[in-house]
Amino acid sequence: DSGVTQTPKHLITATGQRVTLRCSPRSGDLSVYWYQQSLDQGLQFLIQYYNGEERAKGNILERFSAQQFPDLHSELNLSSLELGDSALYFCASSVDGVQPQHFGDGTRLSIL
Amino acid sequence: GNSVTQMEGPVTLSEEAFLTINCTYTATGYPSLFWYVQYPGEGLQLLLKATKADDKGSNKGFEATYRKETTSFHLEKGSVQVSDSAVYFCALSDRAGGTSYGKLTFGQGTILTVHP
Repeated sequence: DSGVTQTPKHLITATGQRVTLRCSPRSGDLSVYWYQQSLDQGLQFLIQYYNGEERAKGNILERFSAQQFPDLHSELNLSSLELGDSALYFCASSVDGVQPQHFGDGTRLSIL
Repeated sequence: GNSVTQMEGPVTLSEEAFLTINCTYTATGYPSLFWYVQYPGEGLQLLLKATKADDKGSNKGFEATYRKETTSFHLEKGSVQVSDSAVYFCALSDRAGGTSYGKLTFGQGTILTVHP
């Protein structure tokens, strides 16, 4: 158990819809990262937050947004969903953005 | 930009065989290097890491040495077990400003299957 909690584990929705994925980092970790894992693109970094502030941005679509709240949990919002957004979305956390990242079990998003 | 290339997979071995999974990278500066493992239905677990040239990371019988001259970080294990069957990812991280681990850049992953 990595200590990183992601909910829900599975999400099935339709094109055009909006979903929110939630991540609770390990106790004491200030930094949260989001990654997308798909068959064609592999594992790709989306965005990083540190203590509530956005720190780094990767290949994140404009339809996607994220935030980190004062209690350090993070949410990834995906809107106007397309079939190609079907993927596993991982959250990872680290204590200070320096130590290695620990991953949650992911949220599997299926777009029908 | 940064990139990581892993050997073509999948890899199928018999129990107690020797394992090598090749990993090479392209990066500016001095990245940190990692191997993560993903068991079916689970997230990624950090297997081992190395933060500077010639460092050797090791864990659970797995080893990898940070080779700056060949930009490689090959994963090895002397005797694999059925329980080692999983997907293995090589990754590197930026050291933005020299003080923090930034995003992870992953290789495409190598599926390892070990038969009894």
